[in-house]
Amino acid sequence: KAGVTQTPRYLIKTRGQQVTLSCSPISGHRSVSWYQQTPGQGLQFLFEYFSETQRNKGNFPGRFSGRQFSNSRSEMNVSTLELGDSALYLCASSELTGNTGELFFGEGSRLTVL
Amino acid sequence: TQLLEQSPQFLSIQEGENLTVYCNSSSVFSSLQWYRQEPGEGPVLLVTVVTGGEVKKLKRLTFQFGDARKDSSLHITAAQPGDTGLYLCAGAMDSNYQLIWGAGTKLIIKP
Repeated sequence: KAGVTQTPRYLIKTRGQQVTLSCSPISGHRSVSWYQQTPGQGLQFLFEYFSETQRNKGNFPGRFSGRQFSNSRSEMNVSTLELGDSALYLCASSELTGNTGELFFGEGSRLTVL
Repeated sequence: TQLLEQSPQFLSIQEGENLTVYCNSSSVFSSLQWYRQEPGEGPVLLVTVVTGGEVKKLKRLTFQFGDARKDSSLHITAAQPGDTGLYLCAGAMDSNYQLIWGAGTKLIIKP
């Protein structure tokens, strides 16, 4: 069974630009969660989608948005990039929604904002 | 303020030594997960503990959930370089829809 695939793996943007990251979950998983990881901060929850519906959202500004398609693939978008948005963005898929069940993570998309 | 405090933040030891890392909170969790993240990879689940006082062993790794379900520990016996990574704990609370994550313990095992 193929794992969680995130694209692109690395990208460099400048302040003010926008970026779209993609995540393909494990086949059959309907939950996709997005996390931001920065050194010393652990994983900060962005949002979770389950069956194309946003189930929960973390404490991030409205510049961060996402969506999920009917095939469970998900995208997240960050508009008007700031230097502080530089981070590893991780996507995780799960069979279950919420805080139960195992999360399967992709390798992440490392975003650098200059 | 982190709801889940992990300690130490960083640990570097020689191969063959034993170590313990901690995940502490003042809140009660219905379950707690431990993940390991290696450089360039996403976190991978090691274990889930559910019952207060529960002990689970995974080869040289021993996980314990506190009796009051507020804390957990991970003990590694005879550490090996392959144990190097970031160890993250994540707790599930009935009052919170999403997992609560600790900031992690970065472990380096030197050959």
